[in-house]
Amino acid sequence: DIQMTQSPSSLSASVGDRVTITCRASQDISNYLAWFQQKPGKAPKSLIYGASTLQSGVPSRFSGSGSGTDFTLTISSLQPEDFATYYCQQYNSSPLTFGGGTKVEIE
Amino acid sequence: EVHLLESGGGLAQPGGSLRLSCAASGFTFSSYAMSWVRQAPGKGLEWVSSISSSGATTDYADSVQGRFAMSRDNSKNTLYLQMNNLRADDTAVYYCAKGASSSAYYFYGTVWGQGTLVTVSS
Repeated sequence: DIQMTQSPSSLSASVGDRVTITCRASQDISNYLAWFQQKPGKAPKSLIYGASTLQSGVPSRFSGSGSGTDFTLTISSLQPEDFATYYCQQYNSSPLTFGGGTKVEIE
Repeated sequence: EVHLLESGGGLAQPGGSLRLSCAASGFTFSSYAMSWVRQAPGKGLEWVSSISSSGATTDYADSVQGRFAMSRDNSKNTLYLQMNNLRADDTAVYYCAKGASSSAYYFYGTVWGQGTLVTVSS
């Protein structure tokens, strides 16, 4: 199974900050990497697929990069509605696996 | 607008069974693969199973293989998850998710339902 390791597991930031979350795969997954946002008590929301392609309707302050084993999700200017938990997921091979999540909290 | 609505969750005893449903609307259901993903209380996301658009191909996590069965009725725009021999560690919110293509593989969820809670306890 491919293990997905996210870091940090949590972070505190202020509105307007640039935030970067890292996701590392235990083996090469090419660009088969998706990012999701989840708010408390809500379903996950798709943000990015193919490592860097924004899902329709997602604000442009979100961006993704990377290929192979190392990936990043960047929020260029954190907004109040961005405080949430973020997950990466590889879909290169079965079983599909998720990272442990990164909780973005208000500083 | 794409909409997914899960139902069928509730309390089950260890060793018992439940059947979850996911009613889909707002898209051509028969053209897209679907998946179930679960989240134990306070934990992260865990993939459970996927099914191709036609229903011909299914894929399961090792943790549920042989106990859970995923199916779909394209005439009813509905997805199912039959869960047998339930265990305490199956306790979770179960989400259905729509894929981006017809294949059960290379799956990522583009739209998710609101989830249904399954609690396994005596």
